Amino acid sequence: IQLTQSPSSLSASVGDRVAIACRASQGISNYLAWYQQKPGKAPRLLMYAASTLQSGVPSRFTGSGSGTDFTLTISSLQPEDFATYYCQQLHTYPYTFGQGTKLEIK
Amino acid sequence: VQLVQSGAEVMTPGASVKVSCRASGYTFTNYYIHWVRQAPGQGLEWMGLINPSGDIKSYAQKLQGRLTVTRDTSTRTVYMELGSLTSDDTAVYYCARDAGAIWLGEKGLDFWGQGTLVTVSS
Repeated sequence: IQLTQSPSSLSASVGDRVAIACRASQGISNYLAWYQQKPGKAPRLLMYAASTLQSGVPSRFTGSGSGTDFTLTISSLQPEDFATYYCQQLHTYPYTFGQGTKLEIK
Repeated sequence: VQLVQSGAEVMTPGASVKVSCRASGYTFTNYYIHWVRQAPGQGLEWMGLINPSGDIKSYAQKLQGRLTVTRDTSTRTVYMELGSLTSDDTAVYYCARDAGAIWLGEKGLDFWGQGTLVTVSS
């Protein structure tokens, strides 16, 4: 199963609302997770089951979607949110990742 | 919960590398462990996983025949061995816990090791 994220990169300002899309090449129900990664660090789980917020993750992060189309939304960007975001499907082996979306400060 | 990986390795082409991932802070035998790698400047690539008892494994097709994942319950350690290395295998290798326990895949990968840089160079 291929995952295609869009956009590949995004420039935004603190306080902006941004959305990152992830499209699966076939249906994966809600077996989708989102991760945030900062340079030199391991990924951090943000969301699982497409829309369930991982413990400790701020509520400005929301996830939606089912089947083939998913979205991660950040309601009001904070300085610590500038990072690269990945989606991952855990429905069918191999558990593929999207190619990533780099979120940069405008 | 902590996953602590072994240190960086420099390998020659054609060699094999074995990276360890020692778990603590949770019931080791309840959770699957995944391996994920990231080449320099590139995205994340899922490599494979192993179940709590070590008798169920799944590997990415492109790594079949070169990748072996094992676990030692007595030392709470999971191992990833990759053989016939080429420069394309230069990457940071991560182990990660599947948060779903027996409900594999339902809750994402919640704890990650610190990463192990493997450099393949002649």
